[in-house]
Amino acid sequence: DIVMTQSPDSLAVSLGERATIDCKSSQSVLHSSNNKNYLAWYQQKPGQPPQVLISWASTRESGVPDRFSGSGSGTDFTLTIISLQAEDVAVYYCQQYYYSPPTFGQGTKVEIK
Amino acid sequence: QVQLQESGPGLVRPSQTLSLTCTVSGDSIGSGRYYWTWIRQPAGKGLEWIGRVYSSGSTKYNPSLGGRVSISLDTPKNQFSLKLSSVTAADTAVYYCARAPYFWSASWFDPWGQGTLVTVSS
Repeated sequence: DIVMTQSPDSLAVSLGERATIDCKSSQSVLHSSNNKNYLAWYQQKPGQPPQVLISWASTRESGVPDRFSGSGSGTDFTLTIISLQAEDVAVYYCQQYYYSPPTFGQGTKVEIK
Repeated sequence: QVQLQESGPGLVRPSQTLSLTCTVSGDSIGSGRYYWTWIRQPAGKGLEWIGRVYSSGSTKYNPSLGGRVSISLDTPKNQFSLKLSSVTAADTAVYYCARAPYFWSASWFDPWGQGTLVTVSS
């Protein structure tokens, strides 16, 4: 299986500051035929199911605030929250869908400093 | 707006079979546009894909579950179901059903049901 490794495991950021989460896959998830990265990001708030934020590594889903952005290619990806809000406290997961079975990172917990 | 809702027993005895159903509203599981999937999350831990079914009835499962999984469709009821046999305490988790776009052998998941906690205990 493809192993997805996130860093850090947790981080505390002041309100209005930037939060950055990294995700590394054990193999490239870039499809050469369409030049797309098969990588999604999710947000999971306590007691709720995960909600997709970003697909194709950098495409925000409908309704997702533009303070969330995804970047990267191949094996290295980043989720950035450019101005952290109180409602962004959550665990964030990356997930690859290039290979089956689809696999998730272990999660990064984001808290307010 | 599509919604998914899991249902089933919250307690299963060791060595028995876990059975859950996901009821879909706002979309047809027979449309052919999506996979219908099961994912689980042990308490305080990460997410594990269990498997998926397509409108044709074709299925794919996570090999890590060692052939214990079966997922099926009930198209007239707009439901799909999960069966996991020979359960142990390691199968205790919140079980989610989710929809995944059909365009490749795997996909992202959106939306998810609220999840249902299944505890394996005697």
